[in-house]
Amino acid sequence: DTEVTQTPKHLVMGMTNKKSLKCEQHMGHRAMYWYKQKAKKPPELMFVYSYEKLSINESVPSRFSPECPNSSLLNLHLHALQPEDSALYLCASSQEGLTNTGELFFGEGSRLTVL
Amino acid sequence: AQSVTQLGSHVSVSEGALVLLRCNYSSSVPPYLFWYVQYPNQGLQLLLKYTSAATLVKGINGFEAEFKKSETSFHLTKPSAHMSDAAEYFCAVSDGSGGSNYKLTFGKGTLLTVNP
Repeated sequence: DTEVTQTPKHLVMGMTNKKSLKCEQHMGHRAMYWYKQKAKKPPELMFVYSYEKLSINESVPSRFSPECPNSSLLNLHLHALQPEDSALYLCASSQEGLTNTGELFFGEGSRLTVL
Repeated sequence: AQSVTQLGSHVSVSEGALVLLRCNYSSSVPPYLFWYVQYPNQGLQLLLKYTSAATLVKGINGFEAEFKKSETSFHLTKPSAHMSDAAEYFCAVSDGSGGSNYKLTFGKGTLLTVNP
């Protein structure tokens, strides 16, 4: 059982919709991550929050807006997405922040389809 | 810049046979190396990690990997494949330079198929 919980597991949205992906961890981890994974490809880093502050934005388009309300929660707000944004979105956490030397714990992902 | 090369996008073995998944890395500093497994429609699960301790690393589900600095390799092995091992396997490197150890660079993945 994963200790990083993502909801919803599946999401279908139109290009004009606004939706959000949610991620929760209760391991006391201080860094949380969003990754995007296209089919048959490795995950690509999007954002990193370290100690609840946005530390890394890998030049992600502004139609993706992350939010970290507290140390256990991470949201990804979606607006005006394109069909090419359809992918599996993975949340991960790590015990330490940007100096993490350990593993990332991944959730099962939210599969997004943009029509 | 760090990078990872996984040789073979698809490896097929028979049940009970040796599993060998190859990973070569490039890093300007001693790396941290990881193997993750991804089952269909699931997230990634850590199999094992190398963080400059023992060069032979044992992980979950009977997998192990050996760090060979001279060959810049971190190949994943399992003596006897099981049907449940069928999945996508990703090798990843994090060089930790300047304390910025947050970013994993993943290989392109190797799909392991296990035949009965």
